[in-house]
Amino acid sequence: DVVMTQSPLSLPVTLGQPASISCRSSQSLLHSDRNTYLTWFHQRPGQSPRRLIYKVSDRDSGVPDRFSGSGSGTYFTLTISRVEAEDVGVYYCLQGTHWPQTFGQGTKVEV
Amino acid sequence: EVQLVQSGGGLVQPGGSLRLSCVASGFTFSDHHMDWVRQAPGKGLEWVGRIIKTRQTYTTEYSASVKGRFTISRDDSKKSLYLQMTRLKTEDTAVYYCGKDNWGLGEFWGQGTLVTVSS
Repeated sequence: DVVMTQSPLSLPVTLGQPASISCRSSQSLLHSDRNTYLTWFHQRPGQSPRRLIYKVSDRDSGVPDRFSGSGSGTYFTLTISRVEAEDVGVYYCLQGTHWPQTFGQGTKVEV
Repeated sequence: EVQLVQSGGGLVQPGGSLRLSCVASGFTFSDHHMDWVRQAPGKGLEWVGRIIKTRQTYTTEYSASVKGRFTISRDDSKKSLYLQMTRLKTEDTAVYYCGKDNWGLGEFWGQGTLVTVSS
């Protein structure tokens, strides 16, 4: 299985400041259809996850533009340009290129 | 508004069975792959399986940890997705989420339903 390694696992942030989370895969996530299926989710305590970014950098509808995704191959980054209080919680990356789909361990973001 | 409403969780003994349901609204259900994901208490997310729409039929894929014990099905006329779980183990205890697939897993999620496997 493809191993997804996130860092850091815990990220103290300052409101109004930028923050970033990285995700590294054990194999390239470039699919034969030329897409890269790397997704980012945000989960608040007691809530369902919410998808933020798909295919590395495409933002889901309604997701604030302070969230952005980048990367290629085996290294990917989620960046929050200016952290807001509602951004606390756990962030997960997911690869959907190889079977089985696999998640990173999660990064806990707290103020 | 897209909604996925789940039901069917609860307490079951090891070796028992349980069926989860997920009713969709707000989108053309029959056009989309659907996934199940679970989250053990205090742990991260784990993909369970998916049902993929092909030209005239559907195919299913499962994680190794549930293959042969869990079955995913759907009824497009009822806009419903199902997860039939058999031979349940204590390690299957988790919150189970259904998810709508659009360019990947989890464009939208259900509210989650807790399955507890314990004697």
